[in-house]
Amino acid sequence: RKEVEQDPGPFNVPEGATVAFNCTYSNSASQSFFWYRQDCRKEPKLLMSVYSSGNEDGRFTAQLNRASQYISLLIRDSKLSDSATYLCVVNQDINDMRFGAGTRLTVKP
Amino acid sequence: NAGVMQNPRHLVRRRGQEARLRCSPMKGHSHVYWYRQLPEEGLKFMVYLQKENIIDESGMPKERFSAEFPKEGPSILRIQQVVRGDSAAYFCASSPRGQSYEQYFGPGTRLTVT
Repeated sequence: RKEVEQDPGPFNVPEGATVAFNCTYSNSASQSFFWYRQDCRKEPKLLMSVYSSGNEDGRFTAQLNRASQYISLLIRDSKLSDSATYLCVVNQDINDMRFGAGTRLTVKP
Repeated sequence: NAGVMQNPRHLVRRRGQEARLRCSPMKGHSHVYWYRQLPEEGLKFMVYLQKENIIDESGMPKERFSAEFPKEGPSILRIQQVVRGDSAAYFCASSPRGQSYEQYFGPGTRLTVT
Protein backbone atom coordinates (compact mmCIF):
# COMPACT_ATOMS: atom_id res chain seq x y z
CA ARG A 1 0.00 0.00 0.00
CA LYS A 2 1.27 3.45 -0.88
CA GLU A 3 2.02 5.76 2.03
CA VAL A 4 -0.28 8.47 0.71
CA GLU A 5 -2.88 7.56 -1.86
CA GLN A 6 -5.21 9.71 -3.91
CA ASP A 7 -7.70 8.99 -6.66
CA PRO A 8 -5.94 10.49 -9.71
CA GLY A 9 -9.21 11.44 -11.37
CA PRO A 10 -9.82 13.30 -13.52
CA PHE A 11 -12.90 14.74 -11.91
CA ASN A 12 -14.91 16.69 -14.49
CA VAL A 13 -17.67 18.75 -12.89
CA PRO A 14 -19.90 21.62 -14.04
CA GLU A 15 -19.59 25.08 -12.56
CA GLY A 16 -21.47 25.36 -9.30
CA ALA A 17 -21.12 21.69 -8.42
CA THR A 18 -19.84 20.36 -5.13
CA VAL A 19 -16.91 17.97 -5.38
CA ALA A 20 -15.00 16.02 -2.76
CA PHE A 21 -11.61 14.32 -2.80
CA ASN A 22 -10.25 11.82 -0.33
CA CYS A 23 -6.68 10.97 0.51
CA THR A 24 -5.72 7.89 2.53
CA TYR A 25 -2.51 7.51 4.49
CA SER A 26 -0.81 4.45 5.92
CA ASN A 27 0.98 5.72 9.02
CA SER A 28 -1.42 5.97 11.95
CA ALA A 29 1.09 8.14 13.84
CA SER A 30 0.97 10.91 11.22
CA GLN A 31 0.35 14.30 12.77
CA SER A 32 0.37 16.98 10.09
CA PHE A 33 -1.86 17.16 7.06
CA PHE A 34 -2.17 19.68 4.25
CA TRP A 35 -3.88 20.27 0.94
CA TYR A 36 -1.99 21.97 -1.89
CA ARG A 37 -3.14 22.92 -5.35
CA GLN A 38 -0.92 22.80 -8.38
CA ASP A 39 -1.76 24.45 -11.67
CA CYS A 40 -0.31 23.07 -14.86
CA ARG A 41 3.46 23.66 -15.02
CA LYS A 42 3.42 25.75 -11.86
CA GLU A 43 4.59 25.20 -8.30
CA PRO A 44 2.31 23.69 -5.63
CA LYS A 45 0.62 26.30 -3.50
CA LEU A 46 -0.61 25.70 0.02
CA LEU A 47 -4.39 25.62 0.05
CA MET A 48 -5.04 24.78 3.67
CA SER A 49 -3.82 22.84 6.67
CA VAL A 50 -6.10 20.12 7.98
CA TYR A 51 -6.87 20.23 11.68
CA SER A 52 -8.28 17.47 13.82
CA SER A 53 -11.53 19.35 14.31
CA GLY A 54 -11.88 20.08 10.60
CA ASN A 55 -11.58 23.52 9.11
CA GLU A 56 -13.25 25.69 6.54
CA ASP A 57 -11.99 28.50 4.33
CA GLY A 58 -14.70 30.01 2.18
CA ARG A 59 -15.88 27.36 -0.27
CA PHE A 60 -13.27 24.86 0.90
CA THR A 61 -13.68 22.45 3.81
CA ALA A 62 -11.01 20.03 4.98
CA GLN A 63 -11.60 17.15 7.36
CA LEU A 64 -9.51 14.51 9.04
CA ASN A 65 -10.72 11.02 9.91
CA ARG A 66 -8.07 9.41 12.09
CA ALA A 67 -9.99 6.17 12.62
CA SER A 68 -10.12 5.46 8.91
CA GLN A 69 -6.86 7.27 8.15
CA TYR A 70 -7.98 9.66 5.51
CA ILE A 71 -8.34 13.37 4.92
CA SER A 72 -10.87 14.98 2.65
CA LEU A 73 -11.29 18.21 0.74
CA LEU A 74 -14.73 19.50 -0.18
CA ILE A 75 -15.17 22.29 -2.70
CA ARG A 76 -18.60 23.92 -2.88
CA ASP A 77 -19.92 26.05 -5.73
CA SER A 78 -17.04 25.12 -8.04
CA LYS A 79 -15.54 27.86 -10.17
CA LEU A 80 -13.69 27.52 -13.46
CA SER A 81 -10.61 28.79 -11.62
CA ASP A 82 -10.72 25.78 -9.30
CA SER A 83 -9.47 23.60 -12.15
CA ALA A 84 -6.11 22.27 -10.97
CA THR A 85 -4.45 19.24 -9.45
CA TYR A 86 -5.01 18.89 -5.71
CA LEU A 87 -2.22 17.31 -3.68
CA CYS A 88 -2.58 15.94 -0.20
CA VAL A 89 0.47 15.96 2.06
CA VAL A 90 0.94 13.87 5.17
CA ASN A 91 3.84 13.77 7.55
CA GLN A 92 5.04 10.22 8.14
CA ASP A 93 7.54 11.22 10.77
CA ILE A 94 9.03 14.38 12.17
CA ASN A 95 11.30 14.73 9.13
CA ASP A 96 9.25 12.90 6.53
CA MET A 97 6.47 14.59 4.60
CA ARG A 98 4.85 12.62 1.81
CA PHE A 99 2.97 14.02 -1.15
CA GLY A 100 0.15 12.19 -2.84
CA ALA A 101 0.28 11.93 -6.61
CA GLY A 102 -2.61 14.40 -6.89
CA THR A 103 -6.22 14.47 -8.04
CA ARG A 104 -6.96 16.38 -11.20
CA LEU A 105 -10.09 18.53 -11.23
CA THR A 106 -11.60 20.18 -14.28
CA VAL A 107 -14.53 22.53 -13.80
CA LYS A 108 -16.49 23.08 -17.00
CA PRO A 109 -18.83 25.93 -17.91
CA ASN B 1 8.17 39.66 1.68
CA ALA B 2 9.81 37.79 -1.16
CA GLY B 3 8.82 34.19 -1.60
CA VAL B 4 11.06 31.26 -2.36
CA MET B 5 13.28 32.08 -5.31
CA GLN B 6 14.79 29.63 -7.72
CA ASN B 7 17.10 30.18 -10.62
CA PRO B 8 17.45 29.59 -13.38
CA ARG B 9 13.81 29.04 -14.30
CA HIS B 10 14.80 27.08 -17.37
CA LEU B 11 18.06 25.23 -17.92
CA VAL B 12 19.17 23.31 -20.98
CA ARG B 13 22.13 20.99 -20.74
CA ARG B 14 23.68 18.47 -23.07
CA ARG B 15 24.21 14.92 -21.87
CA GLY B 16 27.31 14.70 -19.72
CA GLN B 17 27.28 18.32 -18.57
CA GLU B 18 26.67 19.54 -15.05
CA ALA B 19 23.49 21.26 -13.89
CA ARG B 20 23.42 23.63 -10.91
CA LEU B 21 20.07 24.69 -9.52
CA ARG B 22 19.79 27.42 -6.91
CA CYS B 23 17.20 28.08 -4.26
CA SER B 24 16.87 30.99 -1.86
CA PRO B 25 14.34 30.27 0.89
CA MET B 26 11.80 32.73 2.20
CA LYS B 27 13.16 35.24 4.68
CA GLY B 28 13.30 33.69 8.11
CA HIS B 29 13.13 30.12 6.84
CA SER B 30 16.08 27.86 7.59
CA HIS B 31 14.68 24.57 6.28
CA VAL B 32 14.94 23.74 2.60
CA TYR B 33 13.58 20.82 0.61
CA TRP B 34 14.14 19.73 -2.96
CA TYR B 35 11.60 17.82 -5.02
CA ARG B 36 11.58 16.45 -8.54
CA GLN B 37 8.52 16.21 -10.74
CA LEU B 38 8.61 14.24 -13.95
CA PRO B 39 6.07 15.14 -16.66
CA GLU B 40 2.57 13.95 -15.73
CA GLU B 41 3.82 12.56 -12.41
CA GLY B 42 3.64 13.58 -8.77
CA LEU B 43 6.25 15.30 -6.65
CA LYS B 44 9.06 13.11 -5.39
CA PHE B 45 11.00 14.17 -2.30
CA MET B 46 14.73 14.32 -2.82
CA VAL B 47 16.49 15.97 0.12
CA TYR B 48 15.89 18.05 3.24
CA LEU B 49 18.55 20.47 4.45
CA GLN B 50 19.13 22.99 7.17
CA LYS B 51 21.99 25.46 7.13
CA GLU B 52 25.21 23.46 6.65
CA ASN B 53 23.46 20.16 7.35
CA ILE B 54 21.78 17.47 5.31
CA ILE B 55 18.94 16.17 7.45
CA ASP B 56 17.40 13.60 5.09
CA GLU B 57 18.68 12.61 1.67
CA SER B 58 16.70 9.40 1.35
CA GLY B 59 15.17 10.55 -1.93
CA MET B 60 18.41 11.44 -3.65
CA PRO B 61 19.77 9.12 -6.34
CA LYS B 62 22.96 7.51 -5.07
CA GLU B 63 25.14 8.84 -7.85
CA ARG B 64 25.58 12.15 -9.64
CA PHE B 65 23.24 14.14 -7.37
CA SER B 66 24.33 16.27 -4.44
CA ALA B 67 22.87 19.13 -2.44
CA GLU B 68 24.16 21.73 -0.05
CA PHE B 69 22.86 24.64 1.95
CA PRO B 70 25.86 26.71 3.04
CA LYS B 71 25.95 29.15 5.90
CA GLU B 72 25.80 32.01 3.42
CA GLY B 73 24.03 31.96 0.09
CA PRO B 74 21.41 29.81 -1.56
CA SER B 75 20.91 26.08 -1.45
CA ILE B 76 22.39 24.32 -4.46
CA LEU B 77 21.24 21.11 -6.09
CA ARG B 78 23.96 19.76 -8.34
CA ILE B 79 23.53 17.11 -10.98
CA GLN B 80 26.73 15.85 -12.56
CA GLN B 81 26.95 14.16 -15.96
CA VAL B 82 23.29 14.72 -16.73
CA VAL B 83 21.33 12.16 -18.71
CA ARG B 84 18.04 12.52 -20.58
CA GLY B 85 16.15 10.93 -17.69
CA ASP B 86 17.12 13.89 -15.49
CA SER B 87 14.82 16.15 -17.52
CA ALA B 88 12.17 17.28 -15.07
CA ALA B 89 10.92 20.19 -13.02
CA TYR B 90 12.90 20.64 -9.81
CA PHE B 91 11.08 22.46 -7.05
CA CYS B 92 12.54 23.88 -3.91
CA ALA B 93 10.44 24.57 -0.83
CA SER B 94 11.18 26.17 2.50
CA SER B 95 9.59 26.17 5.92
CA PRO B 96 10.23 28.09 9.12
CA ARG B 97 10.44 25.25 11.58
CA GLY B 98 10.83 21.84 10.05
CA GLN B 99 9.13 19.27 7.97
CA SER B 100 6.00 18.96 10.04
CA TYR B 101 5.03 22.48 9.08
CA GLU B 102 3.68 23.88 5.87
CA GLN B 103 6.16 24.32 3.05
CA TYR B 104 6.23 27.14 0.54
CA PHE B 105 7.41 26.37 -2.94
CA GLY B 106 9.50 28.27 -5.42
CA PRO B 107 8.54 28.50 -9.10
CA GLY B 108 10.79 25.60 -10.03
CA THR B 109 13.63 25.04 -12.47
CA ARG B 110 12.76 23.14 -15.62
CA LEU B 111 15.77 21.13 -16.68
CA THR B 112 15.95 19.84 -20.21
CA VAL B 113 18.74 17.49 -21.18
CA THR B 114 19.37 17.24 -24.90
